[in-house]
Amino acid sequence: AQSVTQLGSHVSVSEGALVLLRCNYSSSVPPYLFWYVQYPNQGLQLLLKYTSAATLVKGINDFEAEFKKSETSFHLTKPSAHMSDAAEYFCAVTGQGAQKLVFGQGTRLTINP
Amino acid sequence: DSGVTQTPKHLITATGQRVTLRCSPRSGDLSVYWYQQSLDQGLQFLIQYYNGEERAKGNILERFSAQQFPDLHSELNLSSLELGDSALYFCASSVSGQSSYNEQFFGPGTRLTVL
Repeated sequence: AQSVTQLGSHVSVSEGALVLLRCNYSSSVPPYLFWYVQYPNQGLQLLLKYTSAATLVKGINDFEAEFKKSETSFHLTKPSAHMSDAAEYFCAVTGQGAQKLVFGQGTRLTINP
Repeated sequence: DSGVTQTPKHLITATGQRVTLRCSPRSGDLSVYWYQQSLDQGLQFLIQYYNGEERAKGNILERFSAQQFPDLHSELNLSSLELGDSALYFCASSVSGQSSYNEQFFGPGTRLTVL
């Protein structure tokens, strides 16, 4: 079985500050991990994914995430927040042989001017 | 624009009714997934079809059913609707039915309100 826990349902940062959104996973098989972003009234868009090729994964809009097996974590970071980053962010996991995405509860990111 | 289309965008209906949600995957994608997003349950996988056949089932109620047609579009049928079925229903598609690491492309969703 697989699961994802996102720490913090709401994160607020100032414009220009570091963004850190936390995700921990549980998986009985080697995981594939994803971060999706959902802007208001829109569908989900993939930011980045980990598929075991490299532990540091770079995505769109300067987001990146690092897979740490020892910590079962896949935290999302961005060095400098923009107002346009305000959205809901979802961490998700799949594993070999299972294609369904198992999502965390989501983290709402607010950017303060 | 992900290339995945869903209709209708909004649906308002009454308890006990039946509705059909439609999804057209991206050109070339063979897999279609349905997800439900609600405030209390979050984003949950319902069902997957690959090239017309059911591939995986998640937390889908018996009152719900889906199918994928020869042209690869999919429909999600919800019957005997209850207030708790009010949610945003997403369709996603991916190119393969085999690889777990393929990106799933999401449609804009259908917002269902049951009164």
